[in-house]
Amino acid sequence: EDQVTQSPEALRLQEGESSSLNCSYTVSGLRGLFWYRQDPGKGPEFLFTLYSAGEEKEKERLKATLTKKESFLHITAPKPEDSATYLCAAASDNAGNNRKLIWGLGTSLAVNP
Amino acid sequence: SQTIHQWPATLVQPVGSPLSLECTVEGTSNPNLYWYRQAAGRGLQLLFYSVGIGQISSEVPQNLSASRPQDRQFILSSKKLLLSDSGFYLCAWSVGRRSSYNSPLHFGNGTRLTVT
Repeated sequence: EDQVTQSPEALRLQEGESSSLNCSYTVSGLRGLFWYRQDPGKGPEFLFTLYSAGEEKEKERLKATLTKKESFLHITAPKPEDSATYLCAAASDNAGNNRKLIWGLGTSLAVNP
Repeated sequence: SQTIHQWPATLVQPVGSPLSLECTVEGTSNPNLYWYRQAAGRGLQLLFYSVGIGQISSEVPQNLSASRPQDRQFILSSKKLLLSDSGFYLCAWSVGRRSSYNSPLHFGNGTRLTVT
């Protein structure tokens, strides 16, 4: 069964303290791994898509990487405005035409000033 | 640029009342459209998706229905709400059927529905 697991569930950092969020996936034929940021009471905001192992993408203080089993979202020198829930989702060969993504439950990140 | 509008932002409805949530997309044609529900601790659940006008696929049998009367309009409805329909409802779009199906979803800001 296709599955996406995110860890930790919650993470509290001091401003400037770098860390990584993990997204482990078990899917049949990964077609894409997506990262989103979600602020309280808002819809998820798209960050990155990764398609193959070894791929990396960066945006400001965020860098996403992908291996054959997991993806990491590295946050370098975070600021309080980086506080949010970070979601990952996988698209697999089983998704078919309905584009049914397999979603993780998210990591809630809090960055203290 | 593309934008997605979803309303209302919050809604409190009594059990047994009808529901209509609306979503519109601007700046793109023939998008794929989606309704998701997000519940605490359960992640994002796909409810309906549509690849074109009048074409609706349901993922989860339930008390809800969806319609797509225009290319960029997606409506979520219920004839009689249940307590279990409470949740955070999200509309999303992605690039339409001719493009790679692993293109990202883009979400609206959601509707917080409380059924009392």
